[in-house]
Amino acid sequence: DIQMTQSPSSLSVSVGDRVTITCRASQSISNYLNWYQQKPGKAPELLISAASSLQSGVPSRFSGSGSGTDFTLTISSLQPEDFATYYCQQSYSTPPYTFGQGTKLEIK
Amino acid sequence: EVHLVESGGGLVQPGRSLRLSCTASGFTFGDYAMNWVRQAPGKGLEWVGIIRSKGYGGTTEYAASVKGRVTISRDDSKSIAYLQMNILKTEDTAVYYCTREGRGYGRYYFDYWGQGTLVTVSS
Repeated sequence: DIQMTQSPSSLSVSVGDRVTITCRASQSISNYLNWYQQKPGKAPELLISAASSLQSGVPSRFSGSGSGTDFTLTISSLQPEDFATYYCQQSYSTPPYTFGQGTKLEIK
Repeated sequence: EVHLVESGGGLVQPGRSLRLSCTASGFTFGDYAMNWVRQAPGKGLEWVGIIRSKGYGGTTEYAASVKGRVTISRDDSKSIAYLQMNILKTEDTAVYYCTREGRGYGRYYFDYWGQGTLVTVSS
């Protein structure tokens, strides 16, 4: 199975900061990479699919990049509503569709 | 508007069975694969399994952690997906989400999620 490793596991940040979260796959997954945001007590929400395609309604401060094994989620200027946990997920080939372990953004 | 509503969770003893339901609305249910994802308390997301649409054979696949104990099925006439879980273990305690599998440019993603239903396995 393809393993997904996110870094860091947590990050203390301030409103207005530029935030970068990294996700690495254990083998090449082309751009079969999705990003989700999860707020406490809520279901995850899809932010980005195919590594860089922003979902409708997602603010443009979110962006994704990468291909192959290395991917990045960037928040250009963190807003209060962005404090959440972020997960990457690969959907390459057949299941299992593995997730990264998550990156929690905390208020500094 | 797309809605997914899970039901059927609760407290169950180890070794027993439970069936979760996911009732969908707002889209043509039969055209989409449906997945189940779970999240143990304080932990990350774990994919549980998928049932493809009839157009893709209606096939199922499962995570190794649940294979042999779990069956996913669907009733397209009622727009419901089911997750039958047998021989439950304490480590199956989690919030269970159903998700719709969206497709775009040949890529797959979980574009809609239910609110989740909590399954607690304990004696």
